[in-house]
Amino acid sequence: AQSVTQLDSHVSVSEGTPVLLRCNYSSSYSPSLFWYVQHPNKGLQLLLKYTSAATLVKGINGFEAEFKKSETSFHLTKPSAHMSDAAEYFCAYASGGSYIPTFGRGTSLIVHP
Amino acid sequence: NAGVTQTPKFQVLKTGQSMTLQCAQDMNHNSMYWYRQDPGMGLRLIYYSASEGTTDKGEVPNGYNVSRLNKREFSLRLESAAPSQTSVYFCASSEAVAALGYGYTFGSGTRLTVV
Repeated sequence: AQSVTQLDSHVSVSEGTPVLLRCNYSSSYSPSLFWYVQHPNKGLQLLLKYTSAATLVKGINGFEAEFKKSETSFHLTKPSAHMSDAAEYFCAYASGGSYIPTFGRGTSLIVHP
Repeated sequence: NAGVTQTPKFQVLKTGQSMTLQCAQDMNHNSMYWYRQDPGMGLRLIYYSASEGTTDKGEVPNGYNVSRLNKREFSLRLESAAPSQTSVYFCASSEAVAALGYGYTFGSGTRLTVV
């Protein structure tokens, strides 16, 4: 069965410092990987996705993620955090044989002034 | 550019009452989904509809029914509400299956409280 693990339930950074949110997935020959963001009292919004093209994927709002097959990881990064980045972030994974993606439990990003 | 519209946004029910959550998308997507979100549990799939005319159970279908009314609309019904169904419900749609790289578009959610 496919699985996805977000390694941190909370990440706290200062404004202007780099952000790293970690995601690992169960091995698959051809995974599709996604990052979503959820601001308070809002629905989830797609940030970026990997679908077997370039391993470094750029998304909205300056976020990017790198697909590393050898490490089965798809970590989300941003060079400089902004207060507006404070939100819940979800990694999702679908293997080649599955129809429905599996969502991680989420990582809460806290940004301090 | 409405995307996915859910109604109502908030609802309080008494135990045993029934209600239907409505969802409509205007992106001509084939697939639609209902999730519930509970603290510490992440997103759990209730039901989904791969295409118009089909529905399938997800991870937590007990106590719910769905109807894919047409390509645009996918409703979720609680026949006899229970306090355990207190949650935030999200509808989502996608052009095709996630395994092919299609992401979801989510609605803004329905906050349901069962007392």
